[in-house]
Amino acid sequence: QSALTQPASVSGSPGQSITISCTGTSSDVGGYNYVSWYQQHPGKAPKLMIYEVSNRPSGVSNRFSGSKSGNTASLTISGLQAEDEADYYCSSYTSSSTLGVVFGGGTKLTVL
Amino acid sequence: QVQLQESGPGLVKPSETLSLTCAVSGYSISSGYYWGWIRQPPGKGLEWIGSIYHSGSTYYNPSLKSRVTISVDTSKNQFSLKLSSVTAADTAVYYCARRRGYALFDYWGQGTLVTVSS
Repeated sequence: QSALTQPASVSGSPGQSITISCTGTSSDVGGYNYVSWYQQHPGKAPKLMIYEVSNRPSGVSNRFSGSKSGNTASLTISGLQAEDEADYYCSSYTSSSTLGVVFGGGTKLTVL
Repeated sequence: QVQLQESGPGLVKPSETLSLTCAVSGYSISSGYYWGWIRQPPGKGLEWIGSIYHSGSTYYNPSLKSRVTISVDTSKNQFSLKLSSVTAADTAVYYCARRRGYALFDYWGQGTLVTVSS
């Protein structure tokens, strides 16, 4: 199973909005609404931010939103804040193996 | 509050077997959900290793399947990872996590760095 494709880096100024893309195939992102997004600060474990394409776990700011079109999922962060600077990973269920999961390569978000 | 804690040797010799355990507190593994292992080589992205159901059913990443064994001990409320024939490429931070639904991990351990070196 091949990793999902994410841009290596994105940046934005405080208050702005940014979008991170996550491209897969019809065997993963495009075929199922089981895309999740994780935030990871340096030296910390990943934190679930979005699940099933667009759902936010309790406690996650509504500045984070998710969507999907075809084989590409997107994470949008609005009203950028300094603490949003982190690595972001998408993941998806994949039918290429039984109950398989595939992650994206990660995107480094820099808040200018 | 669900908490997970990885434990095991931080240094493993090449060709040997890496063994880690994940102790779960705040939730009984027997109550359900899948439990999984994910790893992250230094400076790189996340890779799913495999998952196990409380009944013992296992699901592995095809790229690692020949070397991986995940098991569960419900009496101790923990699950374990064994990765055989390790090489330097297996050096990574290993995370255990609770898997809910098809592809989301909602609770994670803090991670443990395992270095493969002689």
